[in-house]
This record gives sequence, structure tokens and C-alpha cells, in this order.
Amino acid sequence: AAGVIQSPRHLIKEKRETATLKCYPIPRHDTVYWYQQGPGQDPQFLISFYEKMQSDKGSIPDRFSAQQFSDYHSELNMSSLELGDSALYFCASSLFQGSYGYTFGSGTRLTVV
Amino acid sequence: DQQVKQNSPSLSVQEGRISILNCDYTNSMFDYFLWYKKYPAEGPTFLISISSIKDKNEDGRFTVFLNKSAKHLSLHIVPSQPGDSAVYFCAASARKGGSEKLVFGKGTKLTVNP
Repeated sequence: AAGVIQSPRHLIKEKRETATLKCYPIPRHDTVYWYQQGPGQDPQFLISFYEKMQSDKGSIPDRFSAQQFSDYHSELNMSSLELGDSALYFCASSLFQGSYGYTFGSGTRLTVV
Repeated sequence: DQQVKQNSPSLSVQEGRISILNCDYTNSMFDYFLWYKKYPAEGPTFLISISSIKDKNEDGRFTVFLNKSAKHLSLHIVPSQPGDSAVYFCAASARKGGSEKLVFGKGTKLTVNP
């Protein structure tokens, strides 16, 4: 069965650079969520989109922005990267009306040097 | 302020015995709870969930118990197998409040010894 696809799996950037993470949800899923997991930390909710509109917002820095496109894939754009942005970034997708199939991707490991 | 708490960072059990992972929450708006299993460098994998209208849900070797008055839930794995060794995250959401986002605990690392 198709899963949530995230790309790239690994990314190394320098401070003050920009990074773009991509997420392709499970087919027919209309909601995408982004989470950040720092070293030794629990996943923290960043932002979510339902039908291409932002549906909820968590602890996402102003330097980050995200959007969901017409094909339901989502991109997380991160600018002015800081060392503290180094983390695993997970995307999950679901059907909005329930948490059924709330499925996570394998994540993108971002390292800022 | 940690709304979902897993107070045991690690747990070690023998193969064949029961593993009990605990989770407490503080937000009374939470009405849906999930358990995820996570291996290093992989995304969380859904295990089992429970709605606040129930107090027990069972799926094979996994059973989740919910005590709403105590704001406590637990995951029982029986019998435990070495392949169950992973980090287990408890998560909660307030679906009636219109939010589908998950709030995670810090995880419990389970080690099942052969």
C-alpha cells in the first residue's frame, strides 16, 4: 500500500540558508500535518492543511512557511536556518473527518551546520 | 507545559511477559488517544487508538485502557516479543474541538530481552 512519501530523507544546510521539505500524502488523504522532532524530544506539531487551506498552527517559527498544493502534496519552506532547526521533520496525512489512517512518513533529517 | 506525559523514559521486560506502558494527560478536551511505535530514523507507526467514549480497545497482542477520571491510559503488550523493542509514543487529540493535531508524550523506550 502507498505510504506518505517525504523528500529528501536527509538534508545538510549551512546557517542562514534555505531548505524546502516535501511531503506526498497517501492517495485520497486531504489533510497534511508537519511535526518537528528535536534530538531526544517528542514530536512537536508545526502546522496542518486541509484542502489546501491552513487548518491549524502550532509552534512554527515565522521563518518557516508551508503550503498544500492542488495535488495535495505539501512543502515546508525554512529560511534563515539556525543550528537549532536541526531535527527530524515528519509529515503525516489523514482524512479530515477522522484520525483514521493518520499515517506518518519516514521523515526528513535536517542538519544545519 | 507537557500536556501528555510518559513518566517512564525506559522499560525493560523479558520475552513472553507483559509490557505495560503508561501515559497521563492534563487537557480534559482530549477525546482521542493513540499509541505509536517508532524505530530510529523511521516515522512513527500507528499501533492502536481509543476514543474517550470507550475504556478499552484490543487488537491482537495490544490492548489500550483508558481511565478518564484519572486522565490516564496504558498500553499492554502481551506476550512481549523482542521485535517489540522500540520507542512508544502516546498521543492525544481534541477532535470534538475541531483539532486533528496530535500532542505527543516524550516516549518510552521498551526493550524486550530474549
